[in-house]
Amino acid sequence: AQSVSQHNHHVILSEAASLELGCNYSYGGTVNLFWYVQYPGQHLQLLLKYFSGDPLVKGIKGFEAEFIKSKFSFNLRKPSVQWSDTAEYFCALGRQAGTALIFGKGTTLSVSS
Amino acid sequence: DAGVIQSPRHEVTEMGQEVTLRCKPISGHDYLFWYRQTMMRGLELLIYFNNNVPIDDSGMPEDRFSAKMPNASFSTLKIQPSEPRDSAVYFCASRAGGRGDTQYFGPGTRLTVL
Repeated sequence: AQSVSQHNHHVILSEAASLELGCNYSYGGTVNLFWYVQYPGQHLQLLLKYFSGDPLVKGIKGFEAEFIKSKFSFNLRKPSVQWSDTAEYFCALGRQAGTALIFGKGTTLSVSS
Repeated sequence: DAGVIQSPRHEVTEMGQEVTLRCKPISGHDYLFWYRQTMMRGLELLIYFNNNVPIDDSGMPEDRFSAKMPNASFSTLKIQPSEPRDSAVYFCASRAGGRGDTQYFGPGTRLTVL
């Protein structure tokens, strides 16, 4: 079955620490991959997306993600987190046109100052 | 563009009452999605429409839930009768038709059923 797995349910970091959130998907066809962020009390917003081309994608607020096709992965990274990065992060898989995104369960990131 | 608009932002109702949530997608978007978010179950897709036609409603929990999209600029999600376990945040999202197009979420409706 097509699915998205986010390995970490809750990550706790101190400010300035580096971040890597794991995301793996299960789908044999051409994919689009997304990372969304949900700040406390807010709606989901797009952080970055991979459509085609360069597998290293840069998004807003210093986030980046790398698509590794052989590993079915799309991990999110940030070299130095800030307190304001405290949020829930969702990885999502897009498949062929006309279908809905498949979201992972989300990873809660807590950053202490 | 104003983005995806949802109303009301908060709804408190009593068990057994009918609840109607509303969504206005971004103009020009062909797809509209309804999601439910709870602590226990995370983000769940309830139903989605393409060009106003329901495509997949397999996520609708039961017959108490219904959704309509009478035109390209308006959709409703109705719960009748409502139950306490329906308490959640309900998000509407819309997307243009291309495969890689971004899905944009509305601010959500926080529903509390007492």
